[in-house]
Amino acid sequence: EVQLVQSGAEVKKPGESLKISCKGSGYIFTNSWIGWVRQMPGKGLEWMGNIYVGDSETRYNPSFQGQVIISADRSINTVYLQWSSLKSSDTAIYYCARTSPGVWFDPWGQGTLVTVSS
Amino acid sequence: DIVLTQSPGTLSLSPGERATLSCRASQRVDSSYLAWYQRKPGQAPSLLIYATSIRATGIPDRFSGSGSGTDFTLTISGLEPEDFAVYYCQQFGGSPLTFGGGTKVEIK
Repeated sequence: EVQLVQSGAEVKKPGESLKISCKGSGYIFTNSWIGWVRQMPGKGLEWMGNIYVGDSETRYNPSFQGQVIISADRSINTVYLQWSSLKSSDTAIYYCARTSPGVWFDPWGQGTLVTVSS
Repeated sequence: DIVLTQSPGTLSLSPGERATLSCRASQRVDSSYLAWYQRKPGQAPSLLIYATSIRATGIPDRFSGSGSGTDFTLTISGLEPEDFAVYYCQQFGGSPLTFGGGTKVEIK
């Protein structure tokens, strides 16, 4: 079964750094693209960016470029989303999902709730 | 950016009724690059339909998708209790990839 399992919920203070993860199993993870999607409280879905696990080629939504870093460690089938300095507006659920250029998102990870509050 | 506008924002229907959800794009979207997702409370989104009209694996045939150009529709032919959820359309032909704002299908 193709599965993406994300790291657990995080509570952070503004200005702190954070790295959340998404681990794939059940398929050749190295040959896939993984996307990250944000859902702020009460809002819709926003695509943040995609990464090709095989060579870490990354494509960002311009709205998120410079705000986050997407990276991958293919040796452990894991993709990461990281912030160097969190803001309260980063409070959201973050989902990873398997994709490819021109391809839909399927399956999705279970989501990671990030809460940023002083 | 291609803006996807979903309507209505909320659809209040009874089990067994037909639901018609609209997704309108600000520019033409190739029908190969339009998908629909379902998100139930407390769960991650899941793929329902891709390439406008192809049901994902395991999706019952009461779900159907149609459309072309800038107007796309998701139809649920007879609502089951498990269908009350939020539905999102997505285009992945243009960058950035974009989602619609969602339509909530709630029990009347």
